[in-house]
Amino acid sequence: DTAVSQTPKYLVTQMGNDKSIKCEQNLGHDTMYWYKQDSKKFLKIMFSYNNKELIINETVPNRFSPKSPDKAHLNLHINSLELGDSAVYFCASSLSGAGHPFFGSGTQLSVL
Amino acid sequence: KNEVEQSPQNLTAQEGEFITINCSYSVGISALHWLQQHPGGGIVSLFMLSSGKKKHGRLIATINIQEKHSSLHITASHPRDSAVYICAVIIETSGSRLTFGEGTQLTVNP
Repeated sequence: DTAVSQTPKYLVTQMGNDKSIKCEQNLGHDTMYWYKQDSKKFLKIMFSYNNKELIINETVPNRFSPKSPDKAHLNLHINSLELGDSAVYFCASSLSGAGHPFFGSGTQLSVL
Repeated sequence: KNEVEQSPQNLTAQEGEFITINCSYSVGISALHWLQQHPGGGIVSLFMLSSGKKKHGRLIATINIQEKHSSLHITASHPRDSAVYICAVIIETSGSRLTFGEGTQLTVNP
């Protein structure tokens, strides 16, 4: 069983569209994250949720909205996609925000 | 300037060589992580350190809190070790936020 699963793995879309990436973890962790990896492979945190509550919200455009329906899920919705949103987005989870992070396999988003 | 600096950026080695990747940070931290990103893109957490040294198989990670420095060593390197190795820290005042280095691309040739 995959510990942290995110879908889709690849997402190709046109500028201006709205899209969602889903993430689910079956590890019983209480903290979940979204990270963005740019074209230079540099990782940066976007959001962190602890028990469905937003803990970290980095300087991310309002077009990005995370949603956590329960502590096992953290979805990322992106409105009005722009070319600069093209990147790999990773979901991750950990126990109490301080343990080893477990990463999903990533979603390669390409905005044309 | 990034709060976490790694060196080297790229490293090519022959199978069997001993490898060292360095990580320096400029802030107080509560923990440091070493991550491995496979060529296929998946990221795996290798070590979490707050002091001393940890060993797992052929991998050894050390940290010197006073010098704000950590090293990842690979003994008897193998082509399957080829990956990007990423140092990440949890800054003391940042809660659980990971701040990442830029990664070291390691290629081990047979």
